Amino acid sequence: QKEVEQDPGPLSVPEGAIVSLNCTYSNSAFQYFMWYRQYSRKGPELLMYTYSSGNKEDGRFTAQVDKSSKYISLFIRDSQPSDSATYLCAMTPYNTDKLIFGTGTRLQVFP
Amino acid sequence: DVKVTQSSRYLVKRTGEKVFLECVQDMDHENMFWYRQDPGLGLRLIYFSYDVKMKEKGDIPEGYSVSREKKERFSLILESASTNQTSMYLCASSFGDREYNEQFFGPGTRLTVL
Repeated sequence: QKEVEQDPGPLSVPEGAIVSLNCTYSNSAFQYFMWYRQYSRKGPELLMYTYSSGNKEDGRFTAQVDKSSKYISLFIRDSQPSDSATYLCAMTPYNTDKLIFGTGTRLQVFP
Repeated sequence: DVKVTQSSRYLVKRTGEKVFLECVQDMDHENMFWYRQDPGLGLRLIYFSYDVKMKEKGDIPEGYSVSREKKERFSLILESASTNQTSMYLCASSFGDREYNEQFFGPGTRLTVL
């Protein structure tokens, strides 16, 4: 079993839809949780990070962490065609730089 | 803006060749990383470095070596390229002295080994 599981998609939604992207994990030591966005033929870039459990909001994006269920989510409100990309979750134990990535979910937002 | 650059976007090599992938960052980051990205497998860590001349094995170091002679430069070496090393290679860098250190990625090198 992989340490981090993520549905690869693709997920195809119409413009304006609410998108929910999810990851599950098995290692209870993980404390920092990240979402990276990767456009085609580009490197990943950090979208959001959260520490421990709870919610974090940034514009149209909301990250949620439920450590009791070992489940993290990224919600995108009012999705736009420019949100079409692969979204990678990543996580790490406290105070270490070694990230464990999910396989990524490919999202397509059509006009 | 943090900039991580990689020497080539696309590279085609023959089996058995020695391959060098170069990565340079301009933000004085202590940490540098090499990943490979494959469909269905995501990003997997090959090697990382916390300081000049220092290296640590990641999850899949077999068939690879690294060199970090200067703080800004981290090289990945395939001593004898094989077809199963055909992949997208991503370099990243981060600070090393903060509670959380965001990793900044380069654009990637797509390596094909024939």
